[in-house]
Amino acid sequence: AQSVTQLDSQVPVFEEAPVELRCNYSSSVSVYLFWYVQYPNQGLQLLLKYLSGSTLVKGINGFEAEFNKSQTSFHLRKPSVHISDTAEYFCAVSRTGNQFYFGTGTSLTVIP
Amino acid sequence: DAGVIQSPRHEVTEMGQEVTLRCKPISGHNSLFWYRQTMMRGLELLIYFNNNVPIDDSGMPEDRFSAKMPNASFSTLKIQPSEPRDSAVYFCASTYRDSYNEQFFGPGTRLTVL
Repeated sequence: AQSVTQLDSQVPVFEEAPVELRCNYSSSVSVYLFWYVQYPNQGLQLLLKYLSGSTLVKGINGFEAEFNKSQTSFHLRKPSVHISDTAEYFCAVSRTGNQFYFGTGTSLTVIP
Repeated sequence: DAGVIQSPRHEVTEMGQEVTLRCKPISGHNSLFWYRQTMMRGLELLIYFNNNVPIDDSGMPEDRFSAKMPNASFSTLKIQPSEPRDSAVYFCASTYRDSYNEQFFGPGTRLTVL
């Protein structure tokens, strides 16, 4: 079985500061990696995904993530956050034909 | 594409009543997932279907919960009888299996059981 660990349950950060949300996964085989964002009172929407190729993946709203196979990590970053980035962020992993595994989520709060 | 459609968006009911949540997946997707989200337990997978067949229902809390997928374009999640602890947001998601499995989520149904 695979697992996804989001190390920080809550991350407060000041507006315009950089942020990194951490995600580690356990798998000995190739996986696909995703970050989803959930704004208050809304469903989850895809932020970015890593399928193959370049390890640096760029997503919507200025977010990017880097796949590190040796460290089995897929951390999410943004160089300068806005108030509108306040949301819950979920890391997820899957393999072809298999179940999707979500992390427990990280609540990002941007402070004015 | 209309995306995943869920109904109702909000449901308020009294303890003991039957509740039915509905989901229409994205056309062409062959896998469908039901999730429950609460503050205490986060996002939990309840059950998922491949080609309308239930594959893993180990996340279904108890016998009061049941899910069906009579065809590729419709699924229901039923709670009978409902209890206050069932209050949560229930999400449906769909994907095309045998790809990289990106899941597309519906807007959710917020269930309140009084």
